Amino acid sequence: DAGVIQSPRHEVTEMGQEVTLRCKPISGHDYLFWYRQTMMRGLELLIYFNNNVPIDDSGMPEDRFSAKMPNASFSTLKIQPSEPRDSAVYFCASSLLSPPLSYNEQFFGPGTRLTVL
Amino acid sequence: TQLLEQSPQFLSIQEGENLTVYCNSSSVFSSLQWYRQEPGEGPVLLVTVVTGGEVKKLKRLTFQFGDARKDSSLHITAAQPGDTGLYLCAGQETSGSRLTFGEGTQLTVNP
Repeated sequence: DAGVIQSPRHEVTEMGQEVTLRCKPISGHDYLFWYRQTMMRGLELLIYFNNNVPIDDSGMPEDRFSAKMPNASFSTLKIQPSEPRDSAVYFCASSLLSPPLSYNEQFFGPGTRLTVL
Repeated sequence: TQLLEQSPQFLSIQEGENLTVYCNSSSVFSSLQWYRQEPGEGPVLLVTVVTGGEVKKLKRLTFQFGDARKDSSLHITAAQPGDTGLYLCAGQETSGSRLTFGEGTQLTVNP
């Protein structure tokens, strides 16, 4: 299995530009999570999906951020317009919660390092 | 939102020493996980503890879940340079599937 795939690995853009981050979860997993990691705030959950449906987006910073999951094998996180304070590493993770197990063991992608100038 | 506090934040030790990292909360979790993250990579799951008082061993790493399922510890015996990394604890909320991550402990093991 290739694991969780994210692209691009690095993105440098200028303030005001649109940024789209992509994620392919592990095949068969039914949960997908988007996180942001910074030195100051650590690893923060932005949004997560179950069976392609957004469940909790309370961690999305503001309306400039949006996420979609059009099918079980693809998700995007979009920032429009981007700002310097959005600079961070963005991780996608997936998991499978199958009864009788109820704990959420997540598999992370390698991350996208975003720099907004 | 449930909070997890990790200590210490930074730890630099010599090869062969023992160490313990702590993860504490005032909230109860249905399970608790430990991840290790290396530079330029995503966190990798080390272990999941589910039952209060549970102890799990992974080679030189020993993980313990508190009796009340509010805290956990990670003990490394005879640390090696390969143990260097960011160690993250993550608690699963009792009411759902999201994880709350601690701030992490950056461990450096010097040869």
